[in-house]
Amino acid sequence: DAGVTQSPTHLIKTRGQQVTLRCSPISGHKSVSWYQQVLGQGPQFIFQYYEKEERGRGNFPDRFSARQFPNYSSELNVNALLLGDSALYLCASSLRQGSGNGYTFGSGTRLTVV
Amino acid sequence: AQKVTQAQTEISVVEKEDVTLDCVYETRDTTYYLFWYKQPPSGELVFLIRRNSFDEQNEISGRYSWNFQKSTSSFNFTITASQVVDSAVYFCALRGSGANSKLTFGKGITLSVRP
Repeated sequence: DAGVTQSPTHLIKTRGQQVTLRCSPISGHKSVSWYQQVLGQGPQFIFQYYEKEERGRGNFPDRFSARQFPNYSSELNVNALLLGDSALYLCASSLRQGSGNGYTFGSGTRLTVV
Repeated sequence: AQKVTQAQTEISVVEKEDVTLDCVYETRDTTYYLFWYKQPPSGELVFLIRRNSFDEQNEISGRYSWNFQKSTSSFNFTITASQVVDSAVYFCALRGSGANSKLTFGKGITLSVRP
C-alpha cells in the first residue's frame, strides 16, 4: 500500500511568489494535517482537514490556506512568500479527525525561498 | 495550552551504549496521547509509539522501551545497545482529546551513534 505522498519533494521560490504543495493520504484515510518544520525545530501545526472541512488551524497568517478534495487529497497554498517560509512542509494522514492512533507522515516538501 | 519540552538537544554515544531521551509535557486535558517519532535525514517522521493518558504501563519493543510517569509528566524513551542506524532526530509529541487533535511537538533530540 502506498503511504502518504507529497509533491514536489523540493521547491525553490522567490520572495513574493505563491506556492502550492500537494498531499495524497493513505487510502481510506479521511483526515489530512499540514505541519511546518523550520530547520532545527519541531513541526508546527498549520491546518487539519477532515471530510473536506477545515477542523483546526494553527497560528499562521492568512497567507497560508488549504483545501481538501473529494478524494481526500489536499493542497496547501502560501501566498506572498517570505524568506521565513523556508521550511520542510509535512503532510500527515489519519483515519479520522480524532484518531487516537499515530498520524502517518509523508516525506515532506522542502521549500526554499530566496 | 499544550507544551512539550525536550531539554536535551544533542546526544552522542558509542555503539552498544544505552541512551535515554527525555520528554516532559504540559496539558490541561485529562485525556491525551503521547507519541515518539523518529526523523532520519530523509525527513519523513516515523511513528514509534503512542500512549494514552490512562495507560501508564511501560512498554518494551525490542531494543526500545518507554517509561510513562504521569506524576512527573514525563514520557522518556530508552534505546538499549544503540546502533549506528539509530542515528536520527527524535521527537516527542502530545495530542489532546476530542476536537483538539493537533500534535504539539518538542524541539527534538539529535542522536548520533558512533561506531
